[in-house]
Amino acid sequence: DTGVSQNPRHKITKRGQNVTFRCDPISEHNRLYWYRQTLGQGPEFLTYFQNEAQLEKSRLLSDRFSAERPKGSFSTLEIQRTEQGDSAMYLCASSFTSGPRVNEQFFGPGTRLTVL
Amino acid sequence: RKEVEQDPGPFNVPEGATVAFNCTYSNSASQSFFWYRQDCRKEPKLLMSVYSSGNEDGRFTAQLNRASQYISLLIRDSKLSDSATYLCVVRGGGFKTIFGAGTRLFVKA
Repeated sequence: DTGVSQNPRHKITKRGQNVTFRCDPISEHNRLYWYRQTLGQGPEFLTYFQNEAQLEKSRLLSDRFSAERPKGSFSTLEIQRTEQGDSAMYLCASSFTSGPRVNEQFFGPGTRLTVL
Repeated sequence: RKEVEQDPGPFNVPEGATVAFNCTYSNSASQSFFWYRQDCRKEPKLLMSVYSSGNEDGRFTAQLNRASQYISLLIRDSKLSDSATYLCVVRGGGFKTIFGAGTRLFVKA
């Protein structure tokens, strides 16, 4: 399967702990996005990378959140000092930089975070 | 006001019905528009892009009215398999992509 993969699929943690999620995009895709989705809502944009450069961050991404894409391939999203309000599905998506499918974002299955 | 607003739903329709979803966006500088579909407990998938002239893909027709900042999706001859949440998506000049809350569709036999 050459789609977007995310690990872990589920994470349960206690409030105050740090968590890190990984996203492996489709190998030909230079663009990578992180979103957060809660029940009954659409995905909320968190941040965007083109190759290894983080080009845009949402105001939703507080200083407890950090994302990296060190070699322009996989990406990690870390949440420090987790709070119960961080409980959500964290989705990663990737897309081409050019070509006929440049606007299509391919999503991974997500990491479901539960903060107790 | 939310940046992208959709009909709250849910829509419950019989097979074969025609159903229309509406969406409005607040940023007049928005440049790209899409409809995504999300099945229960699954990730979103692109259904279709929305072009200024309107576009059709089989049973699905999307329209954009920039003056009114309004997007629509029409589904004709609904199938049971069309049951899903339909997400209106807007992107501005940058890369920030805004999703609506989604409209849930139930198609019944």
